[in-house]
Amino acid sequence: QQKVQQSPESLIVPEGGMASLNCTSSDRNVDYFWWYRQHSGKSPKMLMSIFSNGEKEEGRFTVHLNKASLHTSLHIRDSQPSDSALYLCAPRFKYGSSGNKLIFGIGTLLSVKP
Amino acid sequence: GGIITQTPKFLIGQEGQKLTLKCQQNFNHDTMYWYRQDSGKGLRLIYYSITENDLQKGDLSEGYDASREKKSSFSLTVTSAQKNEMAVFLCASSISISNERLFFGHGTKLSVL
Repeated sequence: QQKVQQSPESLIVPEGGMASLNCTSSDRNVDYFWWYRQHSGKSPKMLMSIFSNGEKEEGRFTVHLNKASLHTSLHIRDSQPSDSALYLCAPRFKYGSSGNKLIFGIGTLLSVKP
Repeated sequence: GGIITQTPKFLIGQEGQKLTLKCQQNFNHDTMYWYRQDSGKGLRLIYYSITENDLQKGDLSEGYDASREKKSSFSLTVTSAQKNEMAVFLCASSISISNERLFFGHGTKLSVL
């Protein structure tokens, strides 16, 4: 069973529009969520992280976290064609003496059309 | 800034062949990782190394070996390549095991004939 579910699988938004991406964990041993972005043919790069309930904003990007529902969402306002990429959610799972583990979701493929 | 260098960029192998992928980082990071990326399956952790001389299995370690030769380098060996296998192997590093800000290399694309 996948521990990390991302939706939608793919998303097309017009330039200047709002893109909303979702990620949920099915395992309660999560204390931190990371978002990574991977442009086509490139390696993933860390975008944002969040560990407190609420929201965190960095420029056009806003991340929300609801720890009770283990749900995080990434919102991109005023989307640009350069935002077109695969967005990967990676919750950190804590397993006591086994240590922490990042598990990546399958990702949401965002395409921003001019 | 630093860089992670993966060699080779492309690797073509034969079924049953043993193949080695190399990774070097100059961030002076303690922790290094090997991930496999398949279309539609996200990134799956194969092996990681918390510090020099440490080796830990990930969720996908069967069929692979790894070696942390020194702090800056981490190798991955495919012990027996599977026919028609095609995937991208990504090496990453982080300051420590408790910091999940990963820095990735550009990947090695494997094709098995």
